[in-house]
This record gives sequence, C-alpha cells and structure tokens, in this order.
Amino acid sequence: DSGVTQTPKHLITATGQRVTLRCSPRSGDLSVYWYQQSLDQGLQFLIQYYNGEERAKGNILERFSAQQFPDLHSELNLSSLELGDSALYFCASSASGTGLGYTFGSGTRLTVV
Amino acid sequence: GDSVTQMEGPVTLSEEAFLTINCTYTATGYPSLFWYVQYPGEGLQLLLKATKADDKGSNKGFEATYRKETTSFHLEKGSVQVSDSAVYFCALILKGAQKLVFGQGTRLTINP
Repeated sequence: DSGVTQTPKHLITATGQRVTLRCSPRSGDLSVYWYQQSLDQGLQFLIQYYNGEERAKGNILERFSAQQFPDLHSELNLSSLELGDSALYFCASSASGTGLGYTFGSGTRLTVV
Repeated sequence: GDSVTQMEGPVTLSEEAFLTINCTYTATGYPSLFWYVQYPGEGLQLLLKATKADDKGSNKGFEATYRKETTSFHLEKGSVQVSDSAVYFCALILKGAQKLVFGQGTRLTINP
C-alpha cells in the first residue's frame, strides 16, 4: 500500500456520460498530480494541485476538470466521455510542490463503451 | 521540448540473465532522472533515482548512472528473476518543475 488511495479501481461507462475519480493523497502530502496512461499516448501529465490551488496544467482536455478539497483529497471529473478516454488514470502525491518524491496510487481503470 | 526515449520492448530474458534497458533524454535544463516499475495491475513504484550528473541510483539489485555527456540513464541488473517481470519507465523532472516526463515504457518478461 503506497498510501495514495484511488477510487474506484474500475469504472465502465457509456459514451457521453460523466464520471468522477477520487484520490486521497498520502498523509502529509500537499501536492496531488493526475496522469493518464493510455496505450497510444503513454503516461501523460494532466494537472497538479498544491494545497487546494491549481499549480500546473498539462495535456488536460477541456472536458476534464479537477479540484483539490480542504482535506486535500482530489477529484478528477471527466465529462462527455468518448471511447478514446478509456485509460488508466493515476493519482500521485508529494510533500512538496516540486515534483520530487512522487508516490503513485494504483490507478482507476476507465472503460468507455 | 523535454523528452525521454526508452528502448522498445518487449524484452524477454531467461532467469539470471544480465539486463540492460536503455534510456536517453532531452532536456532544456538539468533534470533529475528516475526509473519507475509497474507490476501487473498495480501503480507505478519508484525503483531508483539520480539527481545530478555521475550519481548512481540503486535499489533491489538494479542500478542506473546519470551520464550527462551521453544524456543517458540506462537501467541494469546483473541477474534477473522471474519476479522482475514488469513494465519499466524512465522519467525526468526539471529542477523546480512539477511534472514528470515519462518514456514510453519497456515491458520485461523473465522466463524461468
């Protein structure tokens, strides 16, 4: 157990739907990062939050959004889902905002049918 | 932009064989370098890291040396085990940056 908890582990949904992925960071970590792992794109950075504020943005689609709550857990919202959104979505956390010392969760596998 | 290139897989070896997985990088600054491992059905685990040139990261028998002159960070292990079967990712992060830049991953299978 890495200490980073992601729920759910698996999600199957239809095109056009909206889903929410949840991440609880390791105790004491202020930064949360979201990554997408797909077969064709590899591991892509989506977005980072640090202590509730957006810190960095990567290749995140406009249909996707995220937030970090006061208790430091984070949610990634994916809407108007397309088949190509099927992927593993990883959350990672770190104590600082610099990206060193990432700890990854075990991921949420999203399948869009 | 910053990027990481890994040797293409899959790589299949017999138990006790010597392993090398090549990794080269392109970066605008002086990155820290990492190897992550992903076992089936699990998330990424940090295997080893090096934060400056000539540093050697090591863990669980794996080693990698940060070579600035060749912009490389090749992963090596002297004698692999079946339990080393996994996908290995090379990654970099620039100083002060937030995001890891990953290579495409190399799937390693070790046969008994």
